[in-house]
Amino acid sequence: DQQVKQNSPSLSVQEGRISILNCDYTNSMFDYFLWYKKYPAEGPTFLISISSIKDKNEDGRFTVFLNKSAKHLSLHIVPSQPGDSAVYFCAASGTSGSARQLTFGSGTQLTVLP
Amino acid sequence: NAGVMQNPRHLVRRRGQEARLRCSPMKGHSHVYWYRQLPEEGLKFMVYLQKENIIDESGMPKERFSAEFPKEGPSILRIQQVVRGDSAAYFCASSPQTGPNSPLHFGNGTRLTVT
Repeated sequence: DQQVKQNSPSLSVQEGRISILNCDYTNSMFDYFLWYKKYPAEGPTFLISISSIKDKNEDGRFTVFLNKSAKHLSLHIVPSQPGDSAVYFCAASGTSGSARQLTFGSGTQLTVLP
Repeated sequence: NAGVMQNPRHLVRRRGQEARLRCSPMKGHSHVYWYRQLPEEGLKFMVYLQKENIIDESGMPKERFSAEFPKEGPSILRIQQVVRGDSAAYFCASSPQTGPNSPLHFGNGTRLTVT
């Protein structure tokens, strides 16, 4: 029962181009969404978040888009840099239960080629 | 600028032994969360604690697993009588408060291997 799905296990992009990572969710009670980046042998690092009352949030090279009707969000990285190569996790939380119980997707390995 | 500290980084236990994983939250953070990551999967919520209180343990297996966050000292995740299926990376996270404006800060994890 995967409530948060990242259907692409991997993505390769040329340096300088745009990286688009996708995430779908099934639980309509989710109202807050986050992206985390993870390097090998390290913990996840928070990147950017978006509340369900918005459809876009931008922070430097990172933009997250939320389409509530499609239950879909995406992370855009532009321009992509080799240092962006990592596993990216989409996560969601809702107002039911513990406010801080995040549900994670299985991750997408992004490789930015120089 | 100490982040969330977890130790040990690697832990090897034989089946039937006990595993103790420690987590010191960031300074000023009073909320601690434990997540588990199995190979090729995302992180799965286990338990959420505040000082001396378990707030939400809905992700904890019913047997063999326990967690505490005492008034003094680190949070401890304890696994009794470990089995091979317990082999995973265990991540601790902390936040200064609850709510969506307070993203979780994760430690680098403890990789438990059960032989």
